[in-house]
Amino acid sequence: DAGVTQSPTHLIKTRGQHVTLRCSPISGHKSVSWYQQVLGQGPQFIFQYYEKEERGRGNFPDRFSARQFPNYSSELNVNALLLGDSALYLCASSPPGQGYNEQFFGPGTRLTVL
Amino acid sequence: GQSLEQPSEVTAVEGAIVQINCTYQTSGFYGLSWYQQHDGGAPTFLSYNALDGLEETGRFSSFLSRSDSYGYLLLQELQMKDSASYFCAVRDRKGRRALTFGSGTRLQVQP
Repeated sequence: DAGVTQSPTHLIKTRGQHVTLRCSPISGHKSVSWYQQVLGQGPQFIFQYYEKEERGRGNFPDRFSARQFPNYSSELNVNALLLGDSALYLCASSPPGQGYNEQFFGPGTRLTVL
Repeated sequence: GQSLEQPSEVTAVEGAIVQINCTYQTSGFYGLSWYQQHDGGAPTFLSYNALDGLEETGRFSSFLSRSDSYGYLLLQELQMKDSASYFCAVRDRKGRRALTFGSGTRLQVQP
């Protein structure tokens, strides 16, 4: 079975621009979470979506937004990019009814803001 | 606020046993997990403890003491491929699948 997929793998943007990152969960997984991982740090929770509804939001500014589609794929949008947004953005999915602590991570999108 | 403390680096030799400790301070507690991440790779799930005690999964074991807000990951029979970063993570909200991660412990296995 295919794992979590993310696109693009790498992205270079300039300050002030907007970016959209995409994630497809493992088939059958209805929950998608987004994390930001700065080099040398652990992943930091941004959003969780389940059945197209936002179920949790981390401590990130309103420039960050996300949504989940009927096929459970998800997009993370970041507006007005700052240099500090440069990071690895990870998407994770987990199966319904279980796996609250076991999440399956995608390979991530490496975002560089210049 | 939420905080998880773990050592930044650990070095061990092939075949040895290493323990990576994690102490946490969170507003709620619904389980302690451990993830492995190789350089350039995605975090992968290793183990999970919701209750006190030891959980064993092959060469990896994880321990939890909720009264001490403390857990550890034990890696036995170390192999070179175990060189990676290891993160403890806490789920602090019931019904929510968000994890709060520590800063990670970089394990270097030497021959």
